[in-house]
Amino acid sequence: EVQLLESGGTLVQPGGSLRLSCAASGFTFSTYVMTWVRQAPGKGLEWVSAISGSGDNTFYADSVKGRFTVSRDNSKNTLYLQMNNLRAEDTALYYCAKDKRYCGGAACSGEFDPWGQGTLVTVSS
Amino acid sequence: DIQMTQSPSTLSASVGDRVTITCRASQSISSWLAWYQQKPGKAPKLLIYMASSLESGVPSRFSGSGSGTEFTLTISSLQPDDFAIYYCQHYSSYPVQFGQGTKLEIK
Repeated sequence: EVQLLESGGTLVQPGGSLRLSCAASGFTFSTYVMTWVRQAPGKGLEWVSAISGSGDNTFYADSVKGRFTVSRDNSKNTLYLQMNNLRAEDTALYYCAKDKRYCGGAACSGEFDPWGQGTLVTVSS
Repeated sequence: DIQMTQSPSTLSASVGDRVTITCRASQSISSWLAWYQQKPGKAPKLLIYMASSLESGVPSRFSGSGSGTEFTLTISSLQPDDFAIYYCQHYSSYPVQFGQGTKLEIK
């Protein structure tokens, strides 16, 4: 069974930094694109970032480009999101998700299945 | 970037009704479209991928159709468990994007 478990969310001040983690199990982690999606309180889903299975290719939403960095450690089956210069509008529940499409280690965009349970990031003074 | 527009934003319906939600893309995305269901306090769940392929374990009352720029999600006979928020998502290319969501409410 595929499982994704996010961690690292907490209360942080504006301008601060935070690193989220997503521990994966139940599949060959290195062969799937992994994605971060966030959901602000009471709002819809916003795609944040994705990384190819090999880690060679990364993609970002304009809203986080230059501030967030996605990475992965395939030896630890773990996905990361380094978040710098945080703003109030980054407050959200952050989900990691596995792409359903198999792309080997390459980059390809796909649908998301499954999702983790999410980790809450609150940016406030 | 490709923009996704869902309609309606809210839909009121009764158990047993047939309902349709529409998603439009700002340019052709072929069949690179997924539909998700999200219930309060839960992560989204994949229902449909490649515009019309039913995800394993999803009831057959859910169906998807369309290609190019216009897509629909249809629930043939609403069940009490179906009242939730539904999102479309294109994955034609990065950045992928979600529609703004459709809240399906009990009438």
